[in-house]
Amino acid sequence: EPEVTQTPSHQVTQMGQEVILRCVPISNHLYFYWYRQILGQKVEFLVSFYNNEISEKSEIFDDQFSVERPDGSNFTLKIRSTKLEDSAMYFCASSGTGNTEAFFGQGTRLTVV
Amino acid sequence: AQSVTQPDIHITVSEGASLELRCNYSYGATPYLFWYVQSPGQGLQLLLKYFSGDTLVQGIKGFEAEFKRSQSSFNLRKPSVHWSDAAEYFCAVGNFGNEKLTFGTGTRLTIIP
Repeated sequence: EPEVTQTPSHQVTQMGQEVILRCVPISNHLYFYWYRQILGQKVEFLVSFYNNEISEKSEIFDDQFSVERPDGSNFTLKIRSTKLEDSAMYFCASSGTGNTEAFFGQGTRLTVV
Repeated sequence: AQSVTQPDIHITVSEGASLELRCNYSYGATPYLFWYVQSPGQGLQLLLKYFSGDTLVQGIKGFEAEFKRSQSSFNLRKPSVHWSDAAEYFCAVGNFGNEKLTFGTGTRLTIIP
């Protein structure tokens, strides 16, 4: 069964450092998303990406964040200068269209120290 | 703005007993509704979804949910829980043409022997 794959599963980084979280969405999907879940809190939408551009972003997704689809398979989330409050589980998701269910990856746990 | 309320933070159920997890949503148009399950350290797995049609939807692992427009609810049910059902359950709402999901805060389910 096709699945969304995220790497790494756990990343520890120092405050102020740049991190790149990587995702391989399901191959024929067209919509890509990033969500995050701070420990003990709900899953929050960060950004959606379609046709090589951001289609929607939340207030959380400020100038420190960027997304990219550098090739035909990967979808990345970059945090330019990490803060302690960026520590969270980051989930990548993809969907075939905008109106079908999103399939989520296993998540990357980001710890900023 | 769309929102989801899961009023029960934590529910404990005996193995073999029936289960109902509550979800209320706020959205102006016809919502797309989802239930996801998250086992400890794992990603989000889709249990079931409602887009239109029959208001009682069946999902994986023996779960079902009923969409009640008059009550703005989409409660998840299972007639007999198994120890492996212990997890965090998230209700989410989306809408046609808008790809992002809004999640509830989740309900943690504990199963006792």
